[in-house]
Amino acid sequence: TQLLEQSPQFLSIQEGENLTVYCNSSSVFSSLQWYRQEPGEGPVLLVTVVTGGEVKKLKRLTFQFGDARKDSSLHITAAQTGDTGLYLCAGATGRRALTFGSGTRLQVQP
Amino acid sequence: NAGVTQTPKFRVLKTGQSMTLLCAQDMNHEYMYWYRQDPGMGLRLIHYSVGEGTTAKGEVPDGYNVSRLKKQNFLLGLESAAPSQTSVYFCASLRDHRGGPETQYFGPGTRLLVL
Repeated sequence: TQLLEQSPQFLSIQEGENLTVYCNSSSVFSSLQWYRQEPGEGPVLLVTVVTGGEVKKLKRLTFQFGDARKDSSLHITAAQTGDTGLYLCAGATGRRALTFGSGTRLQVQP
Repeated sequence: NAGVTQTPKFRVLKTGQSMTLLCAQDMNHEYMYWYRQDPGMGLRLIHYSVGEGTTAKGEVPDGYNVSRLKKQNFLLGLESAAPSQTSVYFCASLRDHRGGPETQYFGPGTRLLVL
């Protein structure tokens, strides 16, 4: 079984602070995705990283895929209250299915 | 273009009752998936389908059955509901990119409470 571990599980910060969320596995994935989920809704894809060492930026969010394609990180610069939500990483397997991490719940206080 | 829709949004069942959750997508996607989400456990794959008329087991298939009679619909059935099946169920679909990165589109979820 391929497992993805996310840390931290919970994070409460003040608006304007920076934060990093980690996603680690002992398995290699063909690609890794980050989702954000709002209460009462399904996950929404933020980014897909495919190449080892790849870095992608989405406004204040920076995503990095590890060189060995086993881990990833999400860094948010100057967090805003609108960034509040559950952040999920998911690794793609050969059968076109995703293995999800347990998520990081982020609360950004005004 | 509604994307992925799920019905019902919320349901309460008694132990032993049966029900069917419906997932529909209007994007002509080949792949469809059913996940369950429990607190602190992320999403776990129940069953999936790689095309009309095909289904396969995921990580946690016990107690569930599925059918994909039409390409746009994927049904999840609970034959005899148990309290352990209390969860939020998400359906997702994927267009087969044939080697490209997998991008799944999720429905809004169905909250199921089994008493």
